[in-house]
Amino acid sequence: ETGVTQTPRHLVMGMTNKKSLKCEQHLGHNAMYWYKQSAKKPLELMFVYNFKEQTENNSVPSRFSPECPNSSHLFLHLHTLQPEDSALYLCASSQVGTLGVENEQYFGPGTRLTVT
Amino acid sequence: AQTVTQSQPEMSVQEAETVTLSCTYDTSENNYYLFWYKQPPSRQMILVIRQEAYKQQNATENRFSVNFQKAAKSFSLKISDSQLGDTAMYFCAFMSDDDKIIFGKGTRLHILP
Repeated sequence: ETGVTQTPRHLVMGMTNKKSLKCEQHLGHNAMYWYKQSAKKPLELMFVYNFKEQTENNSVPSRFSPECPNSSHLFLHLHTLQPEDSALYLCASSQVGTLGVENEQYFGPGTRLTVT
Repeated sequence: AQTVTQSQPEMSVQEAETVTLSCTYDTSENNYYLFWYKQPPSRQMILVIRQEAYKQQNATENRFSVNFQKAAKSFSLKISDSQLGDTAMYFCAFMSDDDKIIFGKGTRLHILP
């Protein structure tokens, strides 16, 4: 299924680099999410955007900066990361109803990030 | 390519009842891991249960247990004595040996008082 795509699939960056992860959904959804999956912790929700507005930021360090220019695209800008930020970063999208009820989440394949 | 299918978008059961959430997957690999995650209204993902494919014994965690049928590629989650706090979105996930993880679309579970 190509509903949610993420690029790049793999990224290696130094601690002083600046890079961006991209997520695109082709499903007409109005909500998008960034998750972090690491070996040490189960899946962590990082950011939520509903109708392009950020509605949740779960105590994520400022070295991670999300951007949602429209309802189909979501970026995660990275700068001065730490080695412990190495993880799989997953994007998801869903359709949120008028009462705020979320439907199924469609996950992308993830970006495997390694910080050296 | 691996896929994970959760065929029940939404389910409702009465408190104290037992409920089973279905999950099927497709893979050609022999060694992999399967997970069930719970996402309550607070939105944080909680790892409910984990199963290694090489283990024949079904994993259990208190009221949560799985029925892992490797040949059928089925990994259902059973919640016994359901509680109001079990109300959440439940995701089934598959992880290959190279750490590639794939999620199902989720099942929204409502526990009714």
